[in-house]
Amino acid sequence: DGGITQSPKYLFRKEGQNVTLSCEQNLNHDAMYWYRQDPGQGLRLIYYSQIVNDFQKGDIAEGYSVSREKKESFPLTVTSAQKNPTAFYLCASSIYLRVNQPQHFGDGTRLSIL
Amino acid sequence: AQKVTQAQTEISVVEKEDVTLDCVYETRDTTYYLFWYKQPPSGELVFLIRRNSFDEQNEISGRYSWNFQKSTSSFNFTITASQVVDSAVYFCALRPTSGGYNKLIFGAGTRLAVHP
Repeated sequence: DGGITQSPKYLFRKEGQNVTLSCEQNLNHDAMYWYRQDPGQGLRLIYYSQIVNDFQKGDIAEGYSVSREKKESFPLTVTSAQKNPTAFYLCASSIYLRVNQPQHFGDGTRLSIL
Repeated sequence: AQKVTQAQTEISVVEKEDVTLDCVYETRDTTYYLFWYKQPPSGELVFLIRRNSFDEQNEISGRYSWNFQKSTSSFNFTITASQVVDSAVYFCALRPTSGGYNKLIFGAGTRLAVHP
């Protein structure tokens, strides 16, 4: 079945540590996105990528980094510069340039600080 | 400004009751799209419906119906005869066509609890 796979489901970060969240899709979508969800809030866009080897900052990119070396993969690194990383992270994808098409989401990764 | 407001933070109903989730949006774009997503306890967002700004026809899908009113910038979602399985957080989202990329603006969500 086509879809988006995020791993791990739960992740714990130590002080000063960088951690990487994985996102893989087999939907053949060009565009991929990372969102952060905090309790009682909507999703906020961290980074997005419309094509391989290209990505742009979203609304809350500070303390995060991404790469897009393959169409299928869009990993997110939460760096030690992100002082409040505890949140639920969702990866999404969509067909490029078709703004009327919905974004498809993965199951999410819950990140906590040890 | 482009914004989505879901004023109802939490709603609690008893099974078989009808419930309406409100969504009000702001945009200056003449062409835009509106979406509803469901987030069950497992965490993933499930796409429910898409509506474009030129189509004000209401839609019904089983127990779900959507009322889009451009005059009041609202896109409300009604669940008829609610069931326990409807318990989830529901998000309304706006996709403006200005801005150059496929940006989705989410409301804060409404948590629906359906009790047996």
